[in-house]
Amino acid sequence: GDSVTQMEGPVTLSEEAFLTINCTYTATGYPSLFWYVQYPGEGLQLLLKATKADDKGSNKGFEATYRKETTSFHLEKGSVQVSDSAVYFCALPNNAGNMLTFGGGTRLMVKP
Amino acid sequence: GAGVSQSPSNKVTEKGKDVELRCDPISGHTALYWYRQSLGQGLEFLIYFQGNSAPDKSGLPSDRFSAERTGGSVSTLTIQRTQQEDSAVYLCASSLKVQYYEQYFGPGTRLTVT
Repeated sequence: GDSVTQMEGPVTLSEEAFLTINCTYTATGYPSLFWYVQYPGEGLQLLLKATKADDKGSNKGFEATYRKETTSFHLEKGSVQVSDSAVYFCALPNNAGNMLTFGGGTRLMVKP
Repeated sequence: GAGVSQSPSNKVTEKGKDVELRCDPISGHTALYWYRQSLGQGLEFLIYFQGNSAPDKSGLPSDRFSAERTGGSVSTLTIQRTQQEDSAVYLCASSLKVQYYEQYFGPGTRLTVT
């Protein structure tokens, strides 16, 4: 079945540092890929998405490129802020598109 | 417009009691999903609705769990005879349609079974 593997956290960075959160997946076909973010005390929010190979999703300074060769969708940001502290989830839909499989989540803590 | 709303935001119940969790999807969204977020299991898919129909209930953890949706809108997730392992955050999401549409999540209901 489909699966998503994320790097374990927590990831602790200083403000303005470069961020990478690794995500690899196993799936049949070439599904869309998503990054969701969960800020403290809040629900999941869609951060960015990519719908096909080599697509780059971007939002709020975050980027992720759909790499089918390495089955990866790593999340990057050039300069993190304290306000980026949250838990980040990589996710993909099944073939029917009626459910999402999530990675285990990576907690990011950014210190001033 | 308004996002997905869930109620209650927090629920503390005694082991063995029944609980009902409510989800109001985004207006016009025909698909609705329930997930569970717990420390040990991460984010688990439970069930989805297309309209009022739930074609596949195999994701529900046990027969103590049931869900319904009426009028193509509000959904309730019912847990009977709650157990401590049911303690988790229950998340609801909705999308315009099933299949390849983005899911928008509510804030969740935190259930604690004592």
